Amino acid sequence: TQLLEQSPQFLSIQEGENLTVYCNSSSVFSSLQWYRQEPGEGPVLLVTVVTGGEVKKLKRLTFQFGDARKDSSLHITAAQPGDTGLYLCGAGSGSRLTFGEGTQLTVNP
Amino acid sequence: ETGVTQTPRHLVMGMTNKKSLKCEQHLGHNAMYWYKQSAKKPLELMFVYNFKEQTENNSVPSRFSPECPNSSHLFLHLHTLQPEDSALYLCASSQLTGVGDNEQFFGPGTRLTVL
Repeated sequence: TQLLEQSPQFLSIQEGENLTVYCNSSSVFSSLQWYRQEPGEGPVLLVTVVTGGEVKKLKRLTFQFGDARKDSSLHITAAQPGDTGLYLCGAGSGSRLTFGEGTQLTVNP
Repeated sequence: ETGVTQTPRHLVMGMTNKKSLKCEQHLGHNAMYWYKQSAKKPLELMFVYNFKEQTENNSVPSRFSPECPNSSHLFLHLHTLQPEDSALYLCASSQLTGVGDNEQFFGPGTRLTVL
């Protein structure tokens, strides 16, 4: 069973700050996804990375997949209150995804 | 309707009740999933259906009974639940291509409270 560790668990910052959250494992993944979940809702897919070393950008969000495909990071530039939520990483293996516990991000105005 | 829908959004039931959760996906996907999300725990995969056939049962107690009548609909039948079963139950769907990028699309969830 692949185990995913996300850090930090909680992050509270001021609007305009930059931040990075991490997703790590000792296993190699065929793919990795990042989701954002708001209270009372299901996770929403942000991005999928499949190639080692891959970097994808989504507006102020930058996602990186490690060269060995064991880890990933999500960097947010100039965070806004609308970025508040639970950020989950999920690693693919066939038909199943294994999820980390998530990073709860709060961006204060 | 678009995406993945779930009903009801909230459910309160006693331990002796029988209820069902419903999920419908409007994305033309071939796989559907049930997850349990409890506070301070990772998402727990419960069941996987691929082309209406159950391909995974992740050691889920028999008081949870899934049903997948077609590739667009998924049910979770509940009976004799315990208070520790209270959680957010999420349905998801994906298009399995064999390539490995299993992008899953989630519904809004059913918040279940067992009294």
